[in-house]
Amino acid sequence: AQTVTQSQPEMSVQEAETVTLSCTYDTSESDYYLFWYKQPPSRQMILVIRQEAYKQQNATENRFSVNFQKAAKSFSLKISDSQLGDAAMYFCALRGATNKLIFGTGTLLAVQP
Amino acid sequence: DSGVTQTPKHLITATGQRVTLRCSPRSGDLSVYWYQQSLDQGLQFLIQYYNGEERAKGNILERFSAQQFPDLHSELNLSSLELGDSALYFCASSEQFRGRTDTQYFGPGTRLTVL
Repeated sequence: AQTVTQSQPEMSVQEAETVTLSCTYDTSESDYYLFWYKQPPSRQMILVIRQEAYKQQNATENRFSVNFQKAAKSFSLKISDSQLGDAAMYFCALRGATNKLIFGTGTLLAVQP
Repeated sequence: DSGVTQTPKHLITATGQRVTLRCSPRSGDLSVYWYQQSLDQGLQFLIQYYNGEERAKGNILERFSAQQFPDLHSELNLSSLELGDSALYFCASSEQFRGRTDTQYFGPGTRLTVL
């Protein structure tokens, strides 16, 4: 079975600082994809970043980057220069051969002004 | 805006009733997925359709059913509703059934409240 674990229910960061959200996963498949989705108070699920397991290079999208450690099955999200608009619930997700997304329980990020 | 639309935004109904949730995928997307987000179960995959055919099933109750129409919009039917069915129901779409470029984009969700 595939699982995704987010061990930090809540995190807090000061505006303009950097924060890292943790995610670990388990899968027996060799070809899979990992995602971070953001869910602000509006409840919309917004794709933040995507990582293909076959790529060694860590994905980056502007202020968002990941640290993908395949052997350790770890996929953390780093948010640099945090902004008030980054405050949201962040979900880590895994997609394997079945194409369905397996989500973690989420990390609620607060950004302090 | 992801390009995925869902109607209605909110739905309030009573136990035992039946409701239909509607989803229109992004232009060009052939796959539609339904997810349920509840406080106790988190985000769970329900079912996937690709070009009108059911492709994968998750933890979907027998009281729930879905279909994808020739114009690619999809409907999720929930019947004999129970209090525990109250949740946020998301539709997502992607270009193809399976592929390296396949990413799911989510609609705004339908919030269902069963009283």
